[in-house]
Amino acid sequence: DVKVTQSSRYLVKRTGEKVFLECVQDMDHENMFWYRQDPGLGLRLIYFSYDVKMKEKGDIPEGYSVSREKKERFSLILESASTNQTSMYLCASQSGMGSDTQYFGPGTRLTVL
Amino acid sequence: QQPVQSPQAVILREGEDAVINCSSSKALYSVHWYRQKHGEAPVFLMILLKGGEQKGHEKISASFNEKKQQSSLYLTASQLSYSGTYFCGTASRPGNTPLVFGKGTRLSVIA
Repeated sequence: DVKVTQSSRYLVKRTGEKVFLECVQDMDHENMFWYRQDPGLGLRLIYFSYDVKMKEKGDIPEGYSVSREKKERFSLILESASTNQTSMYLCASQSGMGSDTQYFGPGTRLTVL
Repeated sequence: QQPVQSPQAVILREGEDAVINCSSSKALYSVHWYRQKHGEAPVFLMILLKGGEQKGHEKISASFNEKKQQSSLYLTASQLSYSGTYFCGTASRPGNTPLVFGKGTRLSVIA
């Protein structure tokens, strides 16, 4: 079974803090994604990566950055957290075939005070 | 362009049927359906690829109409366990291209 894990289920941070969200997958997948999920807006893509050290902006990259130093790990970084970044963050991985299914992690509910 | 899902929400009694639609303004190569239960990660249901193929998964099946640029998810004889939010994710071309997800359809099945 594919397993995608995220470092925290719940996280509370203060405005201006630097926040790291970690995602690890165990299936040797090439592709990894970060989404945020807000009520009524569905899943919106923040960043994605098709290979180590490679990253591409998604639909809403502003205020975020990512890092992929190893194939199995994809990190989302909030350089200076703001209250409008309070959200559920979901990581997903996918084999390099593109049309294959995406496997999601359990999500991190981030609250920025 | 985000696909449009309809309806936004639906309430069913056990045993009733439902159809969830996913429409795109762009030509589609593939449509992926997921179900997410409250507090959990989205779980993959099925993929439909260009070719108009209909797929089935227990009592849940789906169709893909390339001409209309839409897919429909059919839930028959619904069970309580079908409750959740259903998302479609679309890709406009093969290969490595991110999915674009709809806003979701909240399905509630009551006894």
